[in-house]
Amino acid sequence: GAVVSQHPSWVICKSGTSVKIECRSLDFQATTMFWYRQFPKQSLMLMATSNEGSKATYEQGVEKDKFLINHASLTLSTLTVTSAHPEDSSFYICIPSGGGRETQYFGPGTRLLVL
Amino acid sequence: TQLLEQSPQFLSIQEGENLTVYCNSSSVFSSLQWYRQEPGEGPVLLVTVVTGGEVKKLKRLTFQFGDARKDSSLHITAAQPGDTGLYLCAGVSNDKIIFGKGTRLHILP
Repeated sequence: GAVVSQHPSWVICKSGTSVKIECRSLDFQATTMFWYRQFPKQSLMLMATSNEGSKATYEQGVEKDKFLINHASLTLSTLTVTSAHPEDSSFYICIPSGGGRETQYFGPGTRLLVL
Repeated sequence: TQLLEQSPQFLSIQEGENLTVYCNSSSVFSSLQWYRQEPGEGPVLLVTVVTGGEVKKLKRLTFQFGDARKDSSLHITAAQPGDTGLYLCAGVSNDKIIFGKGTRLHILP
C-alpha cells in the first residue's frame, strides 16, 4: 500500500507563531492534495484542495492567507498555519491523491496545540 | 455544498446488541467509504462501496450502499467492546472526500 508521511506529528507553539506541516507521498505521485482538519470530538472538515503546480482551492470559511498551502512537487505539499492562535489547535490530516489510485491514503496527522 | 448526514451522533449499547448507523445525502457519490477512528489517530478505512445496492460484509459489520448512491448504512451484529470508536462515513465525488459528522459508538461490557 501507499505510504504517506506527515511531519511533525505533534507541535506545541505559542500564539502568534507560524507552523509548517509537511505531507509526503512516498511511493506515488500525488497530483492532488487534500488538507483536512479535525477539532476534538468532531469529524474531518476539508480545508483546501491543491493540485501540483497551481494555487489551492479553499473551502468556504477557510482563510487562504492564514493557511498557506504549497504543492510544488508531486510528492510534497506543505500547510503553513500563519500567526497561529489557540482556536487553530486541531488535528491536521493530508490525503494525497493521484496515480490512478482509487483508494485514498491518509497521512498520520499532525496534532497542533497553540498556547 | 454536498452534505452527509450521519445518525445517530452518539450510541451507547450493551455488548451483544445489534446496531445500525446511517449516512444520508441529497447528493450522488461515485463511492462511499466507512472509516473508524481511534482517539489521537487518523481514520482507518473499513470499506469502500461503489455500486448502487452493493452490500459488503466485514466479519460482524455489514455495509450497504443505497440504490441511488446517496445513502449508506453500517450494521454491526453482536457488538463487542472492541467496536467502540468513532465511525465516519465519507462520500467521494469528483475526487473530493466529504465526511459525515461521525457516530461515536460505545459498547458497554
